[in-house]
Amino acid sequence: DSGVTQTPKHLITATGQRVTLRCSPRSGDLSVYWYQQSLDQGLQFLIQYYNGEERAKGNILERFSAQQFPDLHSELNLSSLELGDSALYFCASSEGATGELFFGEGSRLTVL
Amino acid sequence: GQSLEQPSEVTAVEGAIVQINCTYQTSGFYGLSWYQQHDGGAPTFLSYNALDGLEETGRFSSFLSRSDSYGYLLLQELQMKDSASYFCAVRELNQGGKLIFGQGTELSVKP
Repeated sequence: DSGVTQTPKHLITATGQRVTLRCSPRSGDLSVYWYQQSLDQGLQFLIQYYNGEERAKGNILERFSAQQFPDLHSELNLSSLELGDSALYFCASSEGATGELFFGEGSRLTVL
Repeated sequence: GQSLEQPSEVTAVEGAIVQINCTYQTSGFYGLSWYQQHDGGAPTFLSYNALDGLEETGRFSSFLSRSDSYGYLLLQELQMKDSASYFCAVRELNQGGKLIFGQGTELSVKP
């Protein structure tokens, strides 16, 4: 158990819908990262937050947005969903802005 | 931009030694990390090289050569449970220090 909690574990929805994925980092970790992993693919970096502020951005679609709240939990919002958005979405946290990442078990999104 | 190249698949037998290479292109980075991921599970941290040279952690070792833009993960005394995907990753000096992963190497350990 990494200490990072992601909900929901599984989510099935339809095209055009909107979903919110939630992540609670390890206690004390200030950085939160979001990654997308499609079937048999690598981990695509989406976005990173540090202590509530956006720190780095990857190839995150405009339909996607995220934020980190004062209690340090984070949410990833995916809207106007398309079939290609079906993937595992991982959240990870680290103590500082650099350093070892601890990953949650992921949220598996299926768009039908 | 940055990119990391790894072999897509490697196969080895139990008890053997296997090396997974990673070459990268980046304008600057803090260090090279390795993560292990079992089928669809959460990636877990294996090792980190901030400086050139070899880092050893039990059966796993990792190596970095900044001058050659190259690193590798060495797994010794392979066990069936080592069958997994292995990702190298670099944290960039610029762009907020984002951690970029390679596409991963799927290791299959045969009896």
